Amino acid sequence: DAGVIQSPRHEVTEMGQEVTLRCKPISGHNSLFWYRQTMMRGLELLIYFNNNVPIDDSGMPEDRFSAKMPNASFSTLKIQPSEPRDSAVYFCASSLVAGGSYNEQFFGPGTRLTVL
Amino acid sequence: AQSVTQPDIHITVSEGASLELRCNYSYGATPYLFWYVQSPGQGLQLLLKYFSGDTLVQGIKGFEAEFKRSQSSFNLRKPSVHWSDAAEYFCAVGAGGGATNKLIFGTGTLLAVQP
Repeated sequence: DAGVIQSPRHEVTEMGQEVTLRCKPISGHNSLFWYRQTMMRGLELLIYFNNNVPIDDSGMPEDRFSAKMPNASFSTLKIQPSEPRDSAVYFCASSLVAGGSYNEQFFGPGTRLTVL
Repeated sequence: AQSVTQPDIHITVSEGASLELRCNYSYGATPYLFWYVQSPGQGLQLLLKYFSGDTLVQGIKGFEAEFKRSQSSFNLRKPSVHWSDAAEYFCAVGAGGGATNKLIFGTGTLLAVQP
């Protein structure tokens, strides 16, 4: 099993540019989470999907952020336009929701975003 | 609302010494509790989890945690710390009743290990 795959691993861009982060969850998982990690705010849940449907996007900071999950094996997080304060490490995690019991989330390696 | 508190932001221990990282949770029912570890530049990895049953749970890398309902705590322990244990540790509680696997994370405890 390849685990959760994120790309790119590092992204440096200039303010105002569009940024797209990509995530491939573990095959068979039906729940996907996007997190942002910064020194100031720690680990924040941005949005999560169940069966490709966004369930809760209350953590998305503002309209510049959007996320999609067109199918069970792919999700994107887009920032347009990007700002320096968006600089952070963005994690994707996936999990299997089954039987009403909690299962662990498996995290990807993260994408380190730097907006100049 | 569910919440997790990790009161220690940073802890330093000597290699070979014992370790205890504190975690307190707020949850109305029986909680699902997790400890994750994040090594520098890496994603989070599950150390152990508690769902029910024995209140002392064993995890990977020699870690264990004890669930104490009366104290709303789920502290992580290791009897002898190795230099490779230097990392950030996150406690988390399940939120969403198992229908979503959503987790609420604490702010983390950064562990430094002295030789």
